Amino acid sequence: AQSVTQPDIHITVSEGASLELRCNYSYGATPYLFWYVQSPGQGLQLLLKYFSGDTLVQGIKGFEAEFKRSQSSFNLRKPSVHWSDAAEYFCAVGSGGYNKLIFGAGTRLAVHP
Amino acid sequence: GAVVSQHPSWVICKSGTSVKIECRSLDFQATTMFWYRQFPKQSLMLMATSNEGSKATYEQGVEKDKFLINHASLTLSTLTVTSAHPEDSSFYICSKKNNRHAEAFFGQGTRLTVV
Repeated sequence: AQSVTQPDIHITVSEGASLELRCNYSYGATPYLFWYVQSPGQGLQLLLKYFSGDTLVQGIKGFEAEFKRSQSSFNLRKPSVHWSDAAEYFCAVGSGGYNKLIFGAGTRLAVHP
Repeated sequence: GAVVSQHPSWVICKSGTSVKIECRSLDFQATTMFWYRQFPKQSLMLMATSNEGSKATYEQGVEKDKFLINHASLTLSTLTVTSAHPEDSSFYICSKKNNRHAEAFFGQGTRLTVV
């Protein structure tokens, strides 16, 4: 069965520090992979997506992610975190003919000034 | 970009009453929309897939008679929580999919509190 694992429930970083959020997936075929961000009480905003091609994808707000098939991973990175990046981050994989999204448990990011 | 409008953003209702949540696609037509539920500090769980002009497809464990979904037009899907109870209190989020690229666009969510 398809699944998404985000090993880190909470991460705290200092403003200006680099960030990496981990995501591992289990999927039989080539996956469609997504990273979404959710601010408190809000819906989800797409940060970036991977369908095919270049395994390093660039997203909005300075985020990037790298697809590594050998490790079944799609980790999200940002070289310098801003206080406004504090939010919940969800990794997701497209399933069921890519109609359904299966989400990881999420990683809550806190940013220290 | 694609826009999904969800209404209301929050609602408080008495136990035993029904609540309707609307999800509108404001730009392109959406023959398929999705309803998710999110408990506090947890991830999103797909409840059902709403199909325009046909019955919704519910995920395992979701009571279709309790969570009524209607997708009467290409731009509107509604979720009605019938005979709501406190355990139905949750954050409900709808989404639609871009058929060309499989990415989903989400509404801002509805916080339902049943008292």
